[in-house]
Amino acid sequence: AQKITQTQPGMFVQEKEAVTLDCTYDTSDQSYGLFWYKQPSSGEMIFLIYQGSYDEQNATEGRYSLNFQKARKSANLVISASQLGDSAMYFCAMRGVVTGGGNKLTFGTGTQLKVEL
Amino acid sequence: DVKVTQSSRYLVKRTGEKVFLECVQDMDHENMFWYRQDPGLGLRLIYFSYDVKMKEKGDIPEGYSVSREKKERFSLILESASTNQTSMYLCASSRLDRGYGNTIYFGEGSWLTVV
Repeated sequence: AQKITQTQPGMFVQEKEAVTLDCTYDTSDQSYGLFWYKQPSSGEMIFLIYQGSYDEQNATEGRYSLNFQKARKSANLVISASQLGDSAMYFCAMRGVVTGGGNKLTFGTGTQLKVEL
Repeated sequence: DVKVTQSSRYLVKRTGEKVFLECVQDMDHENMFWYRQDPGLGLRLIYFSYDVKMKEKGDIPEGYSVSREKKERFSLILESASTNQTSMYLCASSRLDRGYGNTIYFGEGSWLTVV
């Protein structure tokens, strides 16, 4: 079984500050992938960043970085220099492999981020 | 432009009706997924499929079934709709992956209201 836990239902951050959104996961798979998605009020799902379980370095994509701590099973998203346009719902997700070879993709409950002036 | 298309954006159905939600992808993806999204509960996996005629239960399959007769199409079926199935339903697809990353594509969502 695989499970994603996001314990922060809502977060506030001042513009230009950095913010960390927490994500912990549980899986018995040796090989898995971790994703972060942003969902603005329009509803579309926007891919932000990906980390493979065998990647030794933390993933970075522009202002986004993923703080991957495998032993602690955490995959926190760090957004640097927050902008008003970062206000959105953020989802952590995990992709594992099921018996038969397919992929299962599980999401957390999300964190609503509000960036303030 | 790659696409995941959900057949209906907004539906209103009566309790007890049979409801079909269709999802089509044009990328030859093996994996397809159906989620429902509710406030405070995130995206919960209903069913997924990684091959034609294959289906796997997700975390909340009760009250739903699926069909995958062709690789590009994954249908979600509510055999007898109930008011607690009022939700936003999201379809997604991706290539089969063994752990080294790929892109997941989402549809625009289908807002279902059961009255």
